[in-house]
Amino acid sequence: DAGVIQSPRHEVTEMGQEVTLRCKPISGHNSLFWYRQTMMRGLELLIYFNNNVPIDDSGMPEDRFSAKMPNASFSTLKIQPSEPRDSAVYFCASSYTGGGYTFGSGTRLTVV
Amino acid sequence: GENVEQHPSTLSVQEGDSAVIKCTYSDSASNYFPWYKQELGKRPQLIIDIRSNVGEKKDQRIAVTLNKTAKHFSLHITETQPEDSAVYFCAAKLLINNDMRFGAGTRLTVKP
Repeated sequence: DAGVIQSPRHEVTEMGQEVTLRCKPISGHNSLFWYRQTMMRGLELLIYFNNNVPIDDSGMPEDRFSAKMPNASFSTLKIQPSEPRDSAVYFCASSYTGGGYTFGSGTRLTVV
Repeated sequence: GENVEQHPSTLSVQEGDSAVIKCTYSDSASNYFPWYKQELGKRPQLIIDIRSNVGEKKDQRIAVTLNKTAKHFSLHITETQPEDSAVYFCAAKLLINNDMRFGAGTRLTVKP
């Protein structure tokens, strides 16, 4: 199993540009999570999906953030337009009901 | 929803000493408590977990204890080594519910 796969590993973009982060969960896992990690706020849950359905998006900072999970093997987190304060490491994680999370390697986003 | 508090935020110990990190949770229904280790620039990785039907679990130099009545659980690392230096996160959730909340993290430094 290749684990949770995220792309890109690093993204540098200019303020105002659209950013799309991608995640492939572990096959067989039925839940997927997007987290944002910063020094100030630690690990923040942005949104999670159960069986491809968004369950809780209360952590999404604002309307500039959106997430989709069109099928069980793929999810995207989009920021449009991006701002410097969005700079962080974004982690995707997946799990099966009753199990722990497996995290991807993360995407380090820098918005200049 | 669940709220997890973690202490201390930083911990420095001498190599060979023990380290203890403590967490409290708010939702008495939570029944799964994992601990994650995050090395610099890497993803959080599960190192040990405990379910509410047991009070203690050990894996070599690490152990976790759970006090359901007081709603707190702790991570114990014995005979610490420099490679134990990392940020440690506790978390809590209800097993049938995949929404897991993390503590703010503890930065452990083991001095050689």
